[in-house]
Amino acid sequence: AQSVTQLGSHVSVSEGALVLLRCNYSSSVPPYLFWYVQYPNQGLQLLLKYTSAATLVKGINGFEAEFRRSETSFHLTKPSAHMSDAAEYFCAVTFNYGQNFVFGPGTRLSVLP
Amino acid sequence: EAQVTQNPRYLITVTGKKLTVTCSQNMNHEYMSWYRQDPGLGLRQIYYSMNVEVTDKGDVPEGYKVSRKEKRNFPLILESPSPNQTSLYFCASSPPGTDTQYFGPGTRLTVL
Repeated sequence: AQSVTQLGSHVSVSEGALVLLRCNYSSSVPPYLFWYVQYPNQGLQLLLKYTSAATLVKGINGFEAEFRRSETSFHLTKPSAHMSDAAEYFCAVTFNYGQNFVFGPGTRLSVLP
Repeated sequence: EAQVTQNPRYLITVTGKKLTVTCSQNMNHEYMSWYRQDPGLGLRQIYYSMNVEVTDKGDVPEGYKVSRKEKRNFPLILESPSPNQTSLYFCASSPPGTDTQYFGPGTRLTVL
């Protein structure tokens, strides 16, 4: 069965530091990949997605992610963390173009002043 | 305003008392889906619907029912809720031919 793993349930960075949130998937076919952000007491908001075009995907709020097929990874990065980036981040995949989605367990990002 | 709405936002109930959580979208999306969110497990898909009268099971459908009689509505039904269904539930919708989901604000359900 397809699955998504996110290394680190909680990541803390200092304001201005690099943000790196890891996502790996298991699948025999290339998936469509997504990163979502969830702010406290809110629903999920799409940050970015990979759908077989460019492997480096830029999203909102300065985030980007790179699809690496050989590593089955789709890590999320941001060069400089801001306090407003504190939230929970979910990696998700779909293998049948939007019918059945599988989410990772999430990574809570804390940004320290 | 384009949005996905869910009602109620908060619900406390008792074991065995049937309940329905409504989901409505005003964007004419064909695809709709229900998820539950539990700590450490992320979101797990319960049911999804590709269009009116077309529904399919997700990863955790046991104990849930859905219906899709109109394009805009996709209610989630718990015929006999149990405490293990205490969770945060999200409804989502997508326009046709895309994979970008728009999420509702969530419904926090507690089953005593």
